[in-house]
Amino acid sequence: DAMVIQNPRYQVTQFGKPVTLSCSQTLNHNVMYWYQQKSSQAPKLLFHYYDKDFNNEADTPDNFQSRRPNTSFCFLDIRSPGLGDAAMYLCATGLAGGPITGELFFGEGSRLTVL
Amino acid sequence: DQQVKQNSPSLSVQEGRISILNCDYTNSMFDYFLWYKKYPAEGPTFLISISSIKDKNEDGRFTVFLNKSAKHLSLHIVPSQPGDSAVYFCAAMDASGGGADGLTFGKGTHLIIQP
Repeated sequence: DAMVIQNPRYQVTQFGKPVTLSCSQTLNHNVMYWYQQKSSQAPKLLFHYYDKDFNNEADTPDNFQSRRPNTSFCFLDIRSPGLGDAAMYLCATGLAGGPITGELFFGEGSRLTVL
Repeated sequence: DQQVKQNSPSLSVQEGRISILNCDYTNSMFDYFLWYKKYPAEGPTFLISISSIKDKNEDGRFTVFLNKSAKHLSLHIVPSQPGDSAVYFCAAMDASGGGADGLTFGKGTHLIIQP
């Protein structure tokens, strides 16, 4: 089945220790998104890649970076995690440039704990 | 500043009755609206959508109503079933960017279907 896969599902890191979360997709979608969701909050868009073009949200801290080496993979790098970065990180894909549906396809998420 | 608001954190409905989930938005540029369903430890999954040129969209037991003048939409589930117990997210999109800019989410409503 075509899908969006996130690894790891659970990540524990120490304060200030860099962490990388990965996302892969078999849908061949041209847009990949990273959302941050804290407990009882709305998922918040951090940034997205439209093909190779990186689009950062204005309020995304510099501590968060992303890489998309090819169509299938996208990474979220947190350079120096703080306690406030503990959250669920959701990767999603979408298809842009054709008929607009707005539908995104989500992975199961990576839950980050910062000690 | 929340652009998509779901003011009911939780809703309890008896099995077989109608569930009505509400959502308000503030951004007049939003022109696509979607509902996502999320079970614990899973990513959100698409449920139903509506574009701003319509005021109703129906898919089986699920109907979404849009009132543009009030900037309000609602999701009706009838009849409600135990498997409908989940968190429901309202989401909106401004499609003027070609559909790549992602979705803005509400905080979600936890629907509990009681037997």
